[in-house]
Amino acid sequence: EVQLVESGGGLVQPGGSLRLSCAASGFSFSSYAIYWVRQAPGKGLEDVSGISSNGGSTHYANSVKGRFSISRDNSKNTVYLQMGSLRAEDMAVYYCARENWELGANYYYYMDVWGKGTTVTVSS
Amino acid sequence: DIQMTQSPSSLSASVGDRVTITCRASQTISSYLNWYQQRPGKAPKLLIYAASGLQSGVPSRFSGSGSGTDFTLTISSLQPEDFAAYYCQQSYSAPRTFGQGTKVEIK
Repeated sequence: EVQLVESGGGLVQPGGSLRLSCAASGFSFSSYAIYWVRQAPGKGLEDVSGISSNGGSTHYANSVKGRFSISRDNSKNTVYLQMGSLRAEDMAVYYCARENWELGANYYYYMDVWGKGTTVTVSS
Repeated sequence: DIQMTQSPSSLSASVGDRVTITCRASQTISSYLNWYQQRPGKAPKLLIYAASGLQSGVPSRFSGSGSGTDFTLTISSLQPEDFAAYYCQQSYSAPRTFGQGTKVEIK
């Protein structure tokens, strides 16, 4: 079965750090880019960070740039999100998602596999 | 970053109704537009990719259209399980920005 499983969420004080993990199974992990998408309570979806299949390319939302770092270990089929200097506004459910592609007139990209999410609570 | 704007933010509809949700990009994105459904407490689910491609396993009552900056998601005959939030997302560039969502509620 193709799946992604997030872990590492929890309660952290403002200014603290947390590392999230996204473990993949059932597909050729090293062939896909992986994204972290978060959803604050009652809010919409936000692409926080993404990493290419070989780890050579990453991106971050402006809201987390300089505080979060994404990495992957293809030998362990896992992507990590290291979060630092956490703020109340980082409190959210964090999902990891696989970005697949289809070749039409161009390569079209879409997130077709999602984990169930892990909750990050930032509070003193 | 590319801004995605959906309308309406919410709508009320009855089972069997035809429902249309629109999404506008702040710049041209060709057909790099996806649609997701999210039920309460669940992860998003891909419905439509590349503006009009129906994801495997998604009922044919869902359809997408558009290119450039203006896109539409249509549900031809609303079913009870379709009451949920819907999000558009551009995959033209990173970050992959989402619309603010449209909540479809029961009338």
